Formats: sequence, C-alpha cells, structure tokens
Amino acid sequence: GEDVEQSLFLSVREGDSSVINCTYTDSSSTYLYWYKQEPGAGLQLLTYIFSNMDMKQDQRLTVLLNKKDKHLSLRIADTQTGDSAIYFCAESSGDYKLSFGAGTTVTVRA
Amino acid sequence: GAVVSQHPSRVICKSGTSVKIECRSLDFQATTMFWYRQFPKQSLMLMATSNEGSKATYEQGVEKDKFLINHASLTLSTLTVTSAHPEDSSFYICSARVGGQPQHFGDGTRLSIL
Repeated sequence: GEDVEQSLFLSVREGDSSVINCTYTDSSSTYLYWYKQEPGAGLQLLTYIFSNMDMKQDQRLTVLLNKKDKHLSLRIADTQTGDSAIYFCAESSGDYKLSFGAGTTVTVRA
Repeated sequence: GAVVSQHPSRVICKSGTSVKIECRSLDFQATTMFWYRQFPKQSLMLMATSNEGSKATYEQGVEKDKFLINHASLTLSTLTVTSAHPEDSSFYICSARVGGQPQHFGDGTRLSIL
C-alpha cells in the first residue's frame, strides 16, 4: 500500500522557522496535505497542494513539493508557541482516501 | 466553512455496552464520510468509508458487525461500537468531504471501556 514517512520530532526556538519533511511512495498521488493535531483534538487542515504544483504559500505556511523525489515539506515562518502540535503529512489519489505519515511532534521552546 | 461536529467528545462506560458516536457536517453536504481510529502517539487508521444511502466499505481487519456505520443523510453518519470491551478503548475520529475537496475532521471521541 501507500507509504508516507516523516521524522518524528522537531524542536524549534520561538521566532525561528520550522521545516517539516515528508516522503511518499505513491507515484499516482493527486493531492498532498498537511494537517495539525493539538492534544486531545481532531485534525485541522492547514494546507494542501495539487501534485502538479511545486509550491504553495499561505501566510506563514509554505509548502514545497518535489514530485520527482516524492518529497513534501512544510515551512512555518516565525514559529510561535501555539504552533506546538503534531503535524501529519498525508496523500491521496483517485479514491480520496488519505494515507497518513506517523506525525511529527513539533515543540516550540522560548 | 467546512465544519465537522463529532459527539460525544468523551465516553466512559462498562464492558458490554454499545456506544454510538455521531458525525455531522454542519455547513456542507458531505459526499463521503470516513471513520478513523487513533491509538496513543500513533497515526490515524482508516476503519471505513461511508457514503450516504449505501453500505459502508470497511478496511481489511475491521469487523463490520462490531463497528456498525449508518449514513442516513448527507450531513450525518453514526458509528456504533457494539458490545464494547476494553480493547475497543481508543480515540475515534470522523471526517467528511464533498466533491473534490479535502477531508475535514471532527474533534474526535475518546472512548474508555472499563
């Protein structure tokens, strides 16, 4: 089946940029997503990118997609304490089912 | 927009009880709803895909008689955990989507079986 991998932990100083990386194996992926999960809550859609795009920027968030290498990244500029959460990378193809990575726990330190 | 409400947020009950969880799309009509299970410090595991008016499609290894899904309208899907046992304790999350749009998630239900 589809395989999505991401690093498990990231620690970043408040005000710095965070970069979370993700790789996937399904070459037929249509959309790639970043979701945020805070403790005890569901998933919040942060942003998503169509597979024929290279980059998408939305305020502090920048998504980069290297389709050749099947590599996706999420950059959070000016990271704040409220950005501390688990970030899930996910991909979908034609059936819109999501395949999730294991999640990256981002800790923002003062 | 695209708000998904899940209820209840937390359930604690005795072994053998059946528990119903509701998932509602509040401001859109959902083509499809999904039910996930999440174990502590793990990713989401898809349990089933639910389309309005038709039988749910269960993922391999998920018991359909144990986890009953009803999708009676374009805004409501329910998951019933029948005769729940301690091993069914988990965090259950639903999501909904319409057309080619991304899945939007509810806030989850923490189920604890004593």
